[in-house]
Amino acid sequence: GQQLNQSPQSMFIQEGEDVSMNCTSSSIFNTWLWYKQEPGEGPVLLIALYKAGELTSNGRLTAQFGITRKDSFLNISASIPSDVGIYFCAGPMWSNYQLIWGAGTKLIIKP
Amino acid sequence: DAGVIQSPRHEVTEMGQEVTLRCKPISGHDYLFWYRQTMMRGLELLIYFNNNVPIDDSGMPEDRFSAKMPNASFSTLKIQPSEPRDSAVYFCASSLNSNAEAFFGQGTRLTVV
Repeated sequence: GQQLNQSPQSMFIQEGEDVSMNCTSSSIFNTWLWYKQEPGEGPVLLIALYKAGELTSNGRLTAQFGITRKDSFLNISASIPSDVGIYFCAGPMWSNYQLIWGAGTKLIIKP
Repeated sequence: DAGVIQSPRHEVTEMGQEVTLRCKPISGHDYLFWYRQTMMRGLELLIYFNNNVPIDDSGMPEDRFSAKMPNASFSTLKIQPSEPRDSAVYFCASSLNSNAEAFFGQGTRLTVV
């Protein structure tokens, strides 16, 4: 079945560093979604991508929909302490609106 | 809009008791999803509704779990009887028709002792 492989699993970075994470799939997706989850909260949608090659920014966040439609990446520039959390990629299955989820990338910022 | 509203935020119950989780989706959203999140298994889709009708409940772990959506603004997820392995965070999410962007509630942390 469809699966999303998200990497890295976790990242330990210094404040101010740039961050990059990605998701790959063996299947084609028409939509890529990036969510962030903070402790004790539900996932919050950060960026939605709908077209192959699309590059979209949301403040210091930038995400791209891969040309092959089988991958996407999320970059965070100049990280700050509030960027801490788990970042998930997700995409809907072809047959319905059921989202397939990556396992998440846990971002930890060293003081 | 206040977003997706779930209640209670926390629930502690004894094994064997019935548990009911509640969700109010975003007004106008046609799809409602119930997810379970654990450290071991991540986010799992349990069931989803379209226009109040259950579409796919293949993720519901067993017959002890049931979900209803009596109207467009309310859904429940019930576990009867509850077991310790049901301990998890349960999320409700909703989305617009033809739009895959799901918006999540804050979740209910369930602990079954």
